[in-house]
Amino acid sequence: DIVMTQFPDSLAVSLGERATINCQSSQSLFYSSYNKNYLAWYQQKPGQPPKLLIYWASTRESGVPDRFSGSGSGTDFTLTIDSLQAEDVAVYYCQQYFSAPVTFGPGTKVDIK
Amino acid sequence: EVQLVESGGGLVQPGWSLRLSCAASGLSIDEYGIHWVRQAPGKGLEWVSGINWNSGGTGYADSVKGRFTISRDNAKNSLYLHMSSLRADDTAFYYCAKGDAHDWYFDLWGRGTLVIVSS
Repeated sequence: DIVMTQFPDSLAVSLGERATINCQSSQSLFYSSYNKNYLAWYQQKPGQPPKLLIYWASTRESGVPDRFSGSGSGTDFTLTIDSLQAEDVAVYYCQQYFSAPVTFGPGTKVDIK
Repeated sequence: EVQLVESGGGLVQPGWSLRLSCAASGLSIDEYGIHWVRQAPGKGLEWVSGINWNSGGTGYADSVKGRFTISRDNAKNSLYLHMSSLRADDTAFYYCAKGDAHDWYFDLWGRGTLVIVSS
């Protein structure tokens, strides 16, 4: 199984500042035939199910604010939240869907400083 | 409105069985891969099982293989998870999640149903 790691475990950012979350996979998630990275990001607020933010490592889901962006390739990926808003307080998970079973990172908790 | 609604959770004793249901509306489940993802209270996400859109091929996490069975009823537009030989570590919120037709990222989630396995 592909192991996903995230760092930091948690971070506190001032309103309006940038939050950066890192995700690493134990093997490459890049499929050269399709030129795609099989990596997604989710946001989960307390008491709610996860919500898809980003797929294919950098494609923003419809309706997701453009302050959320994804980058990276291969085994190293980043979720960036520009100009953090109060409603962005949540736990963020990365997920690989390159191979079965799909696996998630342990999550990164984002709070307001 | 496009949504998934889970039901069937509850408190059961170790070794018992339980069947979860996921009713879809606003979409046809036979056009997508549909999955179960669970989350123990205060913990992270774990994919449990999924069923393909076309062949109905299924997959299971090693932790549930041989104990859980996923199925769907296209006529009822519903997904099921039959869970047997339940253990304390199966305690979790169980979410129904819709994947893309060919790729297993999840763009629609239900609100979940809580399963508690305890004596």
